[in-house]
Amino acid sequence: NAGVMQNPRHLVRRRGQEARLRCSPMKGHSHVYWYRQLPEEGLKFMVYLQKENIIDESGMPKERFSAEFPKEGPSILRIQQVVRGDSAAYFCASSRVVSFFGQGTRLTVV
Amino acid sequence: AQTVTQSQPEMSVQEAETVTLSCTYDTSESDYYLFWYKQPPSRQMILVIRQEAYKQQNATENRFSVNFQKAAKSFSLKISDSQLGDAAMYFCAYRSIGKGGSEKLVFGKGTKLTVNP
Repeated sequence: NAGVMQNPRHLVRRRGQEARLRCSPMKGHSHVYWYRQLPEEGLKFMVYLQKENIIDESGMPKERFSAEFPKEGPSILRIQQVVRGDSAAYFCASSRVVSFFGQGTRLTVV
Repeated sequence: AQTVTQSQPEMSVQEAETVTLSCTYDTSESDYYLFWYKQPPSRQMILVIRQEAYKQQNATENRFSVNFQKAAKSFSLKISDSQLGDAAMYFCAYRSIGKGGSEKLVFGKGTKLTVNP
């Protein structure tokens, strides 16, 4: 759904660098969900945030990954010291009964 | 924890024919939602159809319909009069209510649908 905006669409990082992925939810929504899609897999939930609060991070790896949704601006998913296994498509969604997804960011770690 | 299983990694159908994609799930909850999403090569996740568990009537959206069997925990998608534009990955998803009212989705691994002209 064009209402959920993600950028960049493609991101290439060298091993050890940081990756920052951005998401703005649909107009009127104040929450976002982040999902990760590994090659040949379905999407897996990572984290659910409302403005200035992390509500559910049960799917987030314990190290190197963090997420925030500040009062102003987009939600940011940050991956520190990226490794090849972080290469995936990362999707953001906002939901009111039905989840609407952004177009995703494809992260490639070289 | 809820799980979703799609047992058909790939399916193919002739244009104008009908195809059914399978999905089973496991849950101890009595009230939930089920969804089918389509992911074309553009990677965009597109909602195809949704079903509320408390509704006995199967959902229908134009050429798309579901066969929801709650006792069997089965949720198959039927595509009638298949079109070339239906070719995509199809994901079955379960909506779990998590911490703090989180409406997170649990996805299956997907079925790749090919439509042959």
